[in-house]
Amino acid sequence: DVKVTQSSRYLVKRTGEKVFLECVQDMDHENMFWYRQDPGLGLRLIYFSYDVKMKEKGDIPEGYSVSREKKERFSLILESASTNQTSMYLCASSFGGVNGYTFGSGTRLTVV
Amino acid sequence: DQQVKQNSPSLSVQEGRISILNCDYTNSMFDYFLWYKKYPAEGPTFLISISSIKDKNEDGRFTVFLNKSAKHLSLHIVPSQPGDSAVYFCAASARQGAQKLVFGQGTRLTINP
Repeated sequence: DVKVTQSSRYLVKRTGEKVFLECVQDMDHENMFWYRQDPGLGLRLIYFSYDVKMKEKGDIPEGYSVSREKKERFSLILESASTNQTSMYLCASSFGGVNGYTFGSGTRLTVV
Repeated sequence: DQQVKQNSPSLSVQEGRISILNCDYTNSMFDYFLWYKKYPAEGPTFLISISSIKDKNEDGRFTVFLNKSAKHLSLHIVPSQPGDSAVYFCAASARQGAQKLVFGQGTRLTINP
């Protein structure tokens, strides 16, 4: 089974801190995605990547950046955390096509 | 601008009865639709999908119906079991475009014994 691992299950950070959320997949998938899940809003796409060093903005990229230096790792960066970035963050990967999404367990980030 | 909408935040169904979850979409470019199931503290997992060339797809207790003219799809679960209690997300994709999914808000399904 494909495994998508998110480094932290829970994080608490202070306003203004730089925050790194890490995601690693073990099945050589080309595509990787970062979503956030909020009540009443569902899952919204922040950034995605089709290949190493490539990135594309999703629907809500403001306040975030990403890094993909290796195929298996996709990092989400909050340059200066704010309280409105308190959310559940979900990483996903896929080989090709939308059928093959595999999600990680999520990181619940609280910004205080 | 919510392109995929699930207007019922929650649904409660008795065990053994049918659960019907609904989803509407606005983007006519969407031609592939999926349902995901999410338990607390876990990531969403794929449940069932349907292409726009079909109007029905069945997999065991789960059936998805697609009404393209109404831009509406529904997920039927019959019979409902306690293990079906979860949040269900509808998702859509335009195959011609990027390989990304647009999700709805989710519906929390509770199956009562």
